[in-house]
Amino acid sequence: DAGVTQSPTHLIKTRGQQVTLRCSPKSGHDTVSWYQQALGQGPQFIFQYYEEEERQRGNFPDRFSGHQFPNYSSELNVNALLLGDSALYLCASSSIVITLMNTEAFFGQGTRLTVV
Amino acid sequence: AQSVTQPDIHITVSEGASLELRCNYSYGATPYLFWYVQSPGQGLQLLLKYFSGDTLVQGIKGFEAEFKRSQSSFNLRKPSVHWSDAAEYFCAVGPHISNFGNEKLTFGTGTRLTIIP
Repeated sequence: DAGVTQSPTHLIKTRGQQVTLRCSPKSGHDTVSWYQQALGQGPQFIFQYYEEEERQRGNFPDRFSGHQFPNYSSELNVNALLLGDSALYLCASSSIVITLMNTEAFFGQGTRLTVV
Repeated sequence: AQSVTQPDIHITVSEGASLELRCNYSYGATPYLFWYVQSPGQGLQLLLKYFSGDTLVQGIKGFEAEFKRSQSSFNLRKPSVHWSDAAEYFCAVGPHISNFGNEKLTFGTGTRLTIIP
């Protein structure tokens, strides 16, 4: 089981550009959540996708958007990049099936985005 | 709104000594509680979780945590730390299983653990 995989590992973009980050969930998982972790901070929830729809959203502007594909993989898009968007972006996958065994999210290693 | 406070930004412990990392949460109902560990440049690994039952939960790598509802706390402990335990530790809270336990997690700001020989 490959677990949660994210690509790319590192990325450098210029202010004003757009970026797309990708996530493949753990096998058997159908829900993908995205988090932003600024340097020295805890992860902040961006949004969650299930059945190709955004289920819940954190306090992030519309510049942050996402997509989930039929195979459950997901993309995070950020438009009009700001310097403050520099962070580690984490993807977490989980299962919507509520059982005692599935009450946790598995995280990928993250994508380090640097905006210059 | 749910929130998590980790009052210790940085803790230094000698190898072999005991460890306790503090976590206080604010949540309007029965929460899910988690401890995650993050090594430099890595993602988050789940150490343990609490959602019901016994308030003392055991996790991986010899860690345990105790849920105290009266104190709104979920402190992480380890009786004897190893040099490999040096990392960042995050406490997180999520909605109870009755609200679909896959909703967003709210994390604390983390505690950085340094181990000295």
